[in-house]
Amino acid sequence: GENVEQHPSTLSVQEGDSAVIKCTYSDSASNYFPWYKQELGKRPQLIIDIRSNVGEKKDQRIAVTLNKTAKHFSLHITETQPEDSAVYFCAARTLSNDYKLSFGAGTTVTVRA
Amino acid sequence: NAGVTQTPKFQVLKTGQSMTLQCAQDMNHEYMSWYRQDPGMGLRLIHYSVGAGITDQGEVPNGYNVSRSTTEDFPLRLLSAAPSQTSVYFCASSYSGGLSNTEAFFGQGTRLTVV
Repeated sequence: GENVEQHPSTLSVQEGDSAVIKCTYSDSASNYFPWYKQELGKRPQLIIDIRSNVGEKKDQRIAVTLNKTAKHFSLHITETQPEDSAVYFCAARTLSNDYKLSFGAGTTVTVRA
Repeated sequence: NAGVTQTPKFQVLKTGQSMTLQCAQDMNHEYMSWYRQDPGMGLRLIHYSVGAGITDQGEVPNGYNVSRSTTEDFPLRLLSAAPSQTSVYFCASSYSGGLSNTEAFFGQGTRLTVV
């Protein structure tokens, strides 16, 4: 099955700096890569996703890049703000495997004021 | 629009007890799934369903049963609770087809403690 690895497990940044989280996946048939944000005590919520036919996608201060050849994708948060503090999960979904989502272990991001 | 409704929010069980976590969605999603979340391990898939009457095992199915008699409901049953099942459980639903509308919506979570 799909194996998704996520790094780093924790990330502390100064407010206004950028944060980058990287994920690798094992199944070359994976074609959908979402990122979820989970605030303390809340449910995970989708913040951005990218499909395998696209190399980069931006939405205001967040962006995701995908390198299919290397089987890795990254989340970039620019101009970080205190409300960006949360746990972020990457995931990969395989069309051929009942559309199951496989998640990374998560990155706890802390934005220091 | 309620989205994904999951109950209860908190539960304490004694070892050996059984219980059912409820999950319902009103978005007419074909795909529903249960995850458990443990520190440092992300979200691990327990069971999933691609439609009414169809269920399958995920990554960590042992000790859990599911059924999908309707499109809306996907209950998770703990047959004989063990301390190792202490976790936060999330139900999720999504459309399952193609490359569109694949966002997974999560329930509010159930914090389960087995003593």
